[in-house]
Amino acid sequence: GNSVTQMEGPVTLSEEAFLTINCTYTATGYPSLFWYVQYPGEGLQLLLKATKADDKGSNKGFEATYRKETTSFHLEKGSVQVSDSAVYFCALRISGGYNKLIFGAGTRLAVHP
Amino acid sequence: GAGVSQSPSNKVTEKGKDVELRCDPISGHTALYWYRQSLGQGLEFLIYFQGNSAPDKSGLPSDRFSAERTGGSVSTLTIQRTQQEDSAVYLCASSPSSTGGPSYEQYFGPGTRLTVT
Repeated sequence: GNSVTQMEGPVTLSEEAFLTINCTYTATGYPSLFWYVQYPGEGLQLLLKATKADDKGSNKGFEATYRKETTSFHLEKGSVQVSDSAVYFCALRISGGYNKLIFGAGTRLAVHP
Repeated sequence: GAGVSQSPSNKVTEKGKDVELRCDPISGHTALYWYRQSLGQGLEFLIYFQGNSAPDKSGLPSDRFSAERTGGSVSTLTIQRTQQEDSAVYLCASSPSSTGGPSYEQYFGPGTRLTVT
Protein backbone atom coordinates (compact mmCIF):
# COMPACT_ATOMS: atom_id res chain seq x y z
CA GLY A 1 0.00 0.00 0.00
CA ASN A 2 0.88 3.68 0.04
CA SER A 3 2.29 5.24 3.19
CA VAL A 4 4.55 7.96 4.53
CA THR A 5 6.87 7.68 7.51
CA GLN A 6 8.47 10.74 9.04
CA MET A 7 10.66 11.20 12.06
CA GLU A 8 8.92 11.61 15.35
CA GLY A 9 9.11 14.89 17.14
CA PRO A 10 9.28 17.15 18.78
CA VAL A 11 12.44 18.53 17.27
CA THR A 12 13.90 21.32 19.37
CA LEU A 13 16.58 23.58 17.90
CA SER A 14 18.26 26.85 18.64
CA GLU A 15 17.88 29.70 16.19
CA GLU A 16 20.27 29.47 13.20
CA ALA A 17 20.73 25.71 13.64
CA PHE A 18 20.54 23.31 10.69
CA LEU A 19 17.29 21.40 10.30
CA THR A 20 16.62 17.98 8.84
CA ILE A 21 13.28 16.23 9.09
CA ASN A 22 13.40 12.76 7.58
CA CYS A 23 10.61 11.43 5.38
CA THR A 24 10.42 8.10 3.57
CA TYR A 25 7.56 6.70 1.57
CA THR A 26 6.11 3.51 0.15
CA ALA A 27 4.08 3.88 -3.00
CA THR A 28 2.67 1.98 -5.91
CA GLY A 29 3.23 3.92 -9.08
CA TYR A 30 4.99 7.26 -9.27
CA PRO A 31 3.95 9.68 -6.56
CA SER A 32 4.30 13.40 -6.26
CA LEU A 33 5.77 14.43 -2.92
CA PHE A 34 4.91 17.36 -0.70
CA TRP A 35 5.78 19.10 2.52
CA TYR A 36 2.95 20.92 4.26
CA VAL A 37 3.32 23.20 7.27
CA GLN A 38 0.85 24.07 10.01
CA TYR A 39 1.77 27.14 12.01
CA PRO A 40 0.20 27.54 15.46
CA GLY A 41 -3.45 28.47 15.14
CA GLU A 42 -3.39 28.37 11.36
CA GLY A 43 -4.50 26.01 8.63
CA LEU A 44 -2.40 23.58 6.65
CA GLN A 45 -0.45 25.16 3.81
CA LEU A 46 1.80 23.83 1.11
CA LEU A 47 5.49 24.49 1.76
CA LEU A 48 7.09 22.79 -1.24
CA LYS A 49 6.64 19.96 -3.68
CA ALA A 50 8.42 17.73 -6.20
CA THR A 51 6.69 15.77 -8.91
CA LYS A 52 9.39 13.45 -10.24
CA ALA A 53 12.64 11.79 -9.26
CA ASP A 54 15.61 14.12 -8.62
CA ASP A 55 13.38 17.21 -8.54
CA LYS A 56 14.20 19.64 -5.74
CA GLY A 57 11.39 21.61 -4.16
CA SER A 58 12.28 24.81 -2.35
CA ASN A 59 10.51 27.64 -0.56
CA LYS A 60 11.27 30.04 2.29
CA GLY A 61 14.78 28.60 2.64
CA PHE A 62 13.50 25.04 2.95
CA GLU A 63 14.53 22.36 0.45
CA ALA A 64 13.70 18.74 -0.23
CA THR A 65 14.92 16.45 -3.01
CA TYR A 66 12.85 13.58 -4.42
CA ARG A 67 15.11 10.52 -4.09
CA LYS A 68 13.56 7.55 -5.83
CA GLU A 69 16.47 5.21 -5.06
CA THR A 70 16.02 5.71 -1.32
CA THR A 71 12.27 6.53 -1.47
CA SER A 72 12.95 9.64 0.56
CA PHE A 73 12.02 13.32 0.62
CA HIS A 74 13.90 14.80 3.57
CA LEU A 75 13.21 18.42 4.51
CA GLU A 76 16.21 20.66 5.19
CA LYS A 77 16.89 24.25 6.12
CA GLY A 78 20.31 25.71 6.70
CA SER A 79 19.41 28.23 9.40
CA VAL A 80 16.09 28.02 11.22
CA GLN A 81 14.28 30.95 12.80
CA VAL A 82 11.87 31.13 15.70
CA SER A 83 9.12 31.82 13.16
CA ASP A 84 9.70 28.35 11.64
CA SER A 85 8.20 26.74 14.75
CA ALA A 86 5.31 24.67 13.42
CA VAL A 87 4.21 21.14 12.61
CA TYR A 88 5.55 19.78 9.33
CA PHE A 89 3.79 17.06 7.35
CA CYS A 90 5.28 15.00 4.57
CA ALA A 91 2.74 13.73 2.05
CA LEU A 92 2.45 11.85 -1.20
CA ARG A 93 -0.06 11.84 -3.98
CA ILE A 94 -0.50 9.02 -6.46
CA SER A 95 -1.37 10.12 -9.98
CA GLY A 96 -4.62 8.56 -11.09
CA GLY A 97 -5.76 8.17 -7.50
CA TYR A 98 -8.02 11.18 -7.54
CA ASN A 99 -5.09 13.14 -6.18
CA LYS A 100 -5.88 12.41 -2.55
CA LEU A 101 -3.00 13.08 -0.21
CA ILE A 102 -1.50 10.50 2.12
CA PHE A 103 0.20 12.17 5.06
CA GLY A 104 2.87 11.26 7.53
CA ALA A 105 2.18 11.68 11.22
CA GLY A 106 3.70 15.15 11.37
CA THR A 107 6.81 16.46 13.11
CA ARG A 108 6.60 19.33 15.55
CA LEU A 109 9.51 21.77 15.35
CA ALA A 110 10.25 24.20 18.17
CA VAL A 111 12.94 26.82 17.59
CA HIS A 112 14.25 28.76 20.56
CA PRO A 113 16.10 32.11 20.47
CA GLY B 1 -9.58 35.94 -3.38
CA ALA B 2 -11.40 34.05 -0.68
CA GLY B 3 -9.92 30.80 0.47
CA VAL B 4 -11.59 27.64 1.68
CA SER B 5 -13.89 28.33 4.60
CA GLN B 6 -15.30 25.92 7.14
CA SER B 7 -17.96 26.22 9.79
CA PRO B 8 -18.28 26.02 12.64
CA SER B 9 -14.69 26.54 13.73
CA ASN B 10 -15.39 24.68 16.96
CA LYS B 11 -18.15 22.25 17.86
CA VAL B 12 -18.76 20.56 21.18
CA THR B 13 -21.42 17.89 21.19
CA GLU B 14 -22.65 15.16 23.45
CA LYS B 15 -22.04 11.54 22.65
CA GLY B 16 -24.88 10.15 20.53
CA LYS B 17 -25.83 13.43 18.90
CA ASP B 18 -25.59 14.12 15.17
CA VAL B 19 -23.35 16.90 13.83
CA GLU B 20 -22.99 18.64 10.48
CA LEU B 21 -19.76 20.26 9.34
CA ARG B 22 -19.73 22.64 6.41
CA CYS B 23 -17.11 23.43 3.80
CA ASP B 24 -17.16 26.26 1.25
CA PRO B 25 -14.46 25.59 -1.34
CA ILE B 26 -12.69 28.17 -3.44
CA SER B 27 -15.00 29.33 -6.22
CA GLY B 28 -14.53 27.32 -9.39
CA HIS B 29 -12.70 24.43 -7.74
CA THR B 30 -14.28 21.20 -8.90
CA ALA B 31 -12.43 18.82 -6.58
CA LEU B 32 -13.14 18.76 -2.85
CA TYR B 33 -11.56 16.60 -0.15
CA TRP B 34 -12.30 15.93 3.50
CA TYR B 35 -9.53 14.89 5.87
CA ARG B 36 -9.44 14.24 9.59
CA GLN B 37 -6.62 15.16 11.94
CA SER B 38 -6.65 13.29 15.21
CA LEU B 39 -4.11 12.54 17.90
CA GLY B 40 -4.11 8.81 17.42
CA GLN B 41 -4.42 8.63 13.65
CA GLY B 42 -2.59 11.65 12.30
CA LEU B 43 -3.98 13.26 9.17
CA GLU B 44 -6.16 10.85 7.17
CA PHE B 45 -8.21 11.09 3.99
CA LEU B 46 -11.98 10.65 4.35
CA ILE B 47 -13.76 11.35 1.06
CA TYR B 48 -13.27 13.01 -2.31
CA PHE B 49 -15.79 14.83 -4.51
CA GLN B 50 -15.53 15.66 -8.16
CA GLY B 51 -18.41 17.99 -8.82
CA ASN B 52 -21.35 16.56 -6.89
CA SER B 53 -20.30 12.93 -7.07
CA ALA B 54 -18.03 11.09 -4.66
CA PRO B 55 -15.99 8.50 -6.54
CA ASP B 56 -13.78 7.82 -3.53
CA LYS B 57 -15.35 7.29 -0.11
CA SER B 58 -12.71 4.83 0.99
CA GLY B 59 -11.59 6.84 4.01
CA LEU B 60 -14.93 7.14 5.78
CA PRO B 61 -14.38 5.24 9.05
CA SER B 62 -17.92 3.90 9.48
CA ASP B 63 -21.44 4.15 8.14
CA ARG B 64 -22.12 6.85 10.72
CA PHE B 65 -20.17 9.18 8.44
CA SER B 66 -21.65 10.59 5.26
CA ALA B 67 -21.07 13.61 3.06
CA GLU B 68 -22.74 15.39 0.24
CA ARG B 69 -21.97 18.21 -2.10
CA THR B 70 -24.55 20.33 -3.83
CA GLY B 71 -24.26 22.60 -6.84
CA GLY B 72 -20.65 21.60 -7.24
CA SER B 73 -19.83 23.92 -4.38
CA VAL B 74 -20.69 23.60 -0.67
CA SER B 75 -20.11 20.27 1.03
CA THR B 76 -21.51 18.96 4.29
CA LEU B 77 -19.95 16.18 6.34
CA THR B 78 -22.45 14.55 8.68
CA ILE B 79 -21.57 12.35 11.62
CA GLN B 80 -24.46 10.47 13.16
CA ARG B 81 -24.56 9.18 16.74
CA THR B 82 -21.20 10.73 17.54
CA GLN B 83 -18.69 8.82 19.61
CA GLN B 84 -15.75 10.12 21.63
CA GLU B 85 -13.31 8.69 19.11
CA ASP B 86 -14.81 11.07 16.52
CA SER B 87 -13.17 13.98 18.33
CA ALA B 88 -10.72 15.49 15.87
CA VAL B 89 -10.09 18.43 13.58
CA TYR B 90 -11.93 17.97 10.29
CA LEU B 91 -10.19 19.62 7.37
CA CYS B 92 -11.59 20.43 3.97
CA ALA B 93 -9.48 21.11 0.90
CA SER B 94 -10.33 22.10 -2.66
CA SER B 95 -8.44 21.92 -5.92
CA PRO B 96 -9.07 23.21 -9.44
CA SER B 97 -9.28 19.61 -10.63
CA SER B 98 -8.28 16.13 -9.64
CA THR B 99 -6.99 15.26 -13.08
CA GLY B 100 -4.95 16.92 -15.74
CA GLY B 101 -1.50 16.59 -14.24
CA PRO B 102 0.36 16.36 -10.98
CA SER B 103 0.63 20.04 -10.30
CA TYR B 104 -2.80 20.90 -8.93
CA GLU B 105 -2.41 22.05 -5.38
CA GLN B 106 -4.96 21.38 -2.67
CA TYR B 107 -5.91 24.46 -0.64
CA PHE B 108 -6.94 23.72 2.91
CA GLY B 109 -9.50 25.40 5.10
CA PRO B 110 -8.87 26.24 8.76
CA GLY B 111 -10.71 23.16 9.99
CA THR B 112 -13.52 22.40 12.39
CA ARG B 113 -12.47 21.18 15.81
CA LEU B 114 -15.03 18.63 16.98
CA THR B 115 -15.14 17.57 20.61
CA VAL B 116 -17.48 14.79 21.66
CA THR B 117 -18.13 14.71 25.40
